[in-house]
Formats: sequence, C-alpha cells, structure tokens
Amino acid sequence: DGGITQSPKYLFRKEGQNVTLSCEQNLNHDAMYWYRQDPGQGLRLIYYSQIVNDFQKGDIAEGYSVSREKKESFPLTVTSAQKNPTAFYLCASSPRQGGDTEAFFGQGTRLTVV
Amino acid sequence: KQEVTQIPAALSVPEGENLVLNCSFTDSAIYNLQWFRQDPGKGLTSLLLIQSSQREQTSGRLNASLDKSSGRSTLYIAASQPGDSATYLCAVRGNTNAGKSTFGDGTTLTVKP
Repeated sequence: DGGITQSPKYLFRKEGQNVTLSCEQNLNHDAMYWYRQDPGQGLRLIYYSQIVNDFQKGDIAEGYSVSREKKESFPLTVTSAQKNPTAFYLCASSPRQGGDTEAFFGQGTRLTVV
Repeated sequence: KQEVTQIPAALSVPEGENLVLNCSFTDSAIYNLQWFRQDPGKGLTSLLLIQSSQREQTSGRLNASLDKSSGRSTLYIAASQPGDSATYLCAVRGNTNAGKSTFGDGTTLTVKP
C-alpha cells in the first residue's frame, strides 16, 4: 500500500528545544517537500529536495533544517531559532521536480510549543 | 512572484445545490494546476490535476476548468452532499523558479443537510 507516512501526528516542543518531524514515502518518488500551514491559510514551502543528498530552501526556510540521505526519507528539524513554530506541517512527494507531475501528501504533524 | 487567490473564503449551501469555487493566479507560466480537498486536521487529497495544455478535467461530480490566459480556474461541484464539506485548495505549479507550487488560502465549504 503506497503512500506518505508522517510521524508523529502530534508533537509538543518546549521553548529552546529542537524537534524532528519524520516523513517517509514508498512511492519511489524523486522529489519531496515540506510545507507549513497556519490556521485559515494555504501552504507555504519550507524546503524541497529533487534528489538524494540535495535540497533547496523554500520561501520560509529560516529556523528549519532538513536532510535527504535516502530517497524515501526527508526529515524536517524545527530548531530553537524558529520563533513561532506552532503550526501544521505537511510533507509531500512527486515523481520528479517540476513538470506535469502530481503531488501526493501525508496526513500531517501538528506541532505545538508548550 | 506567483500569487494565488481563492474566492470566496467560505461558502455555505443547502444539500443538492450545484456550486463553483474560484481560483485565480497572477503568472500564467505554469506547468499545471491541482485542486485538493482538506478535511479538518488532515492532509491534502488530490481531486483533479489540469495540465497547462488542457482546458478541463472531470472526476465524478467534480469538474475543473483552466483558462491560463486569464489566470483562472474553477472547480464545479454538482449536486452537493454533506460529505463534500471540507476546505478546497488550489495549487499552481510554475514552469519557472524550479517548478515550485504556490497554494491559495482555500475555500471552506459547508453543505447543510
């Protein structure tokens, strides 16, 4: 059963703490993406990766970091430098970057600062 | 920079009504436009994908059109049902700027029984 798995579903972070959100896909897709969604708003791109060991900053990369050591995995770390991390985080993948390809999404991780 | 606008922000209709959701974008240099459905607290489910060379796509009670020259897309939902209640997002993938997608803020639809 192919798809994108995000974990955990809910995550709580203390002030000054780094946390890592997991995203795994078994669709054999080359491109993967991380988006942030705030209440009542659309998605904003944090980071994206077109191939293994390569990734690019999106529109709101400050305070976040990623890695792409394996094709199927694209973890996102929310660092203490991100001053307003409370949001809903969505991971997506597509067969390749750009072009006429469809994007598939995971079920999201809701991060709350406590 | 691509900007995507969805109007209205919220819509409430009685069951059985046909309805139209609107999406407009500022840069017509696009690869495709994708409509998604999002239920509260959930991820996005792809509904329809329209390539830049296409005018419309249909799936069941859904029909999406694309007018690239005017920067507009519409999602038509026929015979609406309470189960259609959700937020509908459109995303435009540009053929510049590394092909990144830009999302609208969505239209939240409520279908009353």
